[in-house]
Amino acid sequence: GEDVEQSLFLSVREGDSSVINCTYTDSSSTYLYWYKQEPGAGLQLLTYIFSNMDMKQDQRLTVLLNKKDKHLSLRIADTQTGDSAIYFCAEVNNAGNMLTFGGGTRLMVKP
Amino acid sequence: DTAVSQTPKYLVTQMGNDKSIKCEQNLGHDTMYWYKQDSKKFLKIMFSYNNKELIINETVPNRFSPKSPDKAHLNLHINSLELGDSAVYFCASSTRQGTEAFFGQGTRLTVV
Repeated sequence: GEDVEQSLFLSVREGDSSVINCTYTDSSSTYLYWYKQEPGAGLQLLTYIFSNMDMKQDQRLTVLLNKKDKHLSLRIADTQTGDSAIYFCAEVNNAGNMLTFGGGTRLMVKP
Repeated sequence: DTAVSQTPKYLVTQMGNDKSIKCEQNLGHDTMYWYKQDSKKFLKIMFSYNNKELIINETVPNRFSPKSPDKAHLNLHINSLELGDSAVYFCASSTRQGTEAFFGQGTRLTVV
């Protein structure tokens, strides 16, 4: 079955870069996603990467994909206190009919 | 102009009661989902409907019954609520199965 894993917690100082890592199991995933969840809110789609890409950059966000190792990362440049949230990676499941989410990484940004 | 809206946002109820959570999406999507997020923030799929047809029905007690009157609505009815049902329930939708999902704000259910 699908298993998406993330580290639970990351703490950085404001202005530093944050790197959130994720490993996934389904090599047939066409897209991989990053979502952000702020306290008391729903999940917001941040960015995604197509499986035939190695990297995607979107303003302060950089997604890196290593298909061989099934490793996905999200880099946030110049991290701000407003970036404090839980970040979820997600892949499409084997059946192709839903997203399977990792356990989420709680990012804490210290001033 | 809310894309995926759920009501109520908070629900506090006693054990044994029956309650419903409503979800509506105005994105014109074909697929809708219910996810449960526990206290440790793990997200688990409960149900998925595509064009009003049940596609995914994970291992969920049959006290939970989804109903999709039309493509834009997927409601969740829960009978005989138990303490362990306390969680945040998220509705989501996507253009079709297995594509990026758009989430509602969640319904925090507390069973006392």
